[in-house]
Amino acid sequence: AQSVTQPDIHITVSEGASLELRCNYSYGATPYLFWYVQSPGQGLQLLLKYFSGDTLVQGIKGFEAEFKRSQSSFNLRKPSVHWSDAAEYFCAVNSGGYQKVTFGTGTKLQVIP
Amino acid sequence: DTAVSQTPKYLVTQMGNDKSIKCEQNLGHDTMYWYKQDSKKFLKIMFSYNNKELIINETVPNRFSPKSPDKAHLNLHINSLELGDSAVYFCASSQDNRALETQYFGPGTRLLVL
Repeated sequence: AQSVTQPDIHITVSEGASLELRCNYSYGATPYLFWYVQSPGQGLQLLLKYFSGDTLVQGIKGFEAEFKRSQSSFNLRKPSVHWSDAAEYFCAVNSGGYQKVTFGTGTKLQVIP
Repeated sequence: DTAVSQTPKYLVTQMGNDKSIKCEQNLGHDTMYWYKQDSKKFLKIMFSYNNKELIINETVPNRFSPKSPDKAHLNLHINSLELGDSAVYFCASSQDNRALETQYFGPGTRLLVL
C-alpha cells in the first residue's frame, strides 16, 4: 500500500529565508508525486507534480521539488519565502494506474517578518 | 467563473438530521471526488466517480451516499448525522481517472454537527 510521511507538523521561517519541506513516500515502483497548498479557509491547489523525466520539478509561486528515488523523498523547496506563503502544505502520492491519491498529514508553514 | 464550487460553504445541524452537500465543476472533467478533512487536517478520500460511475468507495458508513446526476455534478447526502461527521468536506475533479492527472479542489463545506 502506498503511504506518504511529512515529518514536520509545523515549520516557522523568516520572510526572505529559504524553505525546505520534507516528504517521504513508501511504494515499490516510481510513484506519481504531488505537492498541494491549502491557504486558510480554502481548498487545495496544486503546486507541482512529478511522474517521470527530470527529477527536479518546477512549480508555481517559485516552488520546486526534487524526486530522490534512493531516499524515497520528494522535498519541496523555495529559495526565498514570502509572507503570503504561510499555509498548509500537503505532499501526496499516487502509485496505481488510476486516481487514488494518498495525502500526507500536512506541514503548516508560518512566516515571520 | 469558479472551477469547482460547493454549496453550502457552512452547515451547522443537529445530530440525527439528514443533509446534502452539492458540488459542481465547469472544467469539463470526467472524474469527481469527495474528501473528508478532519480537525487535524488529515485528508482522506471517500468516493470518486468517473463518467458518473462510482469507482472508489472507501470505508465510509452507509449513511453517506454520493450521487452523480451528470459528469459536472457530484452531490453527497448524509443521513442520521453524528458528532463524528463534523469536518470539512472537499469536492474535487480531474480531467480523467489517470494517476498523473491534477485534482482541482472546491473551497470546502464546513460541517458542524451539534
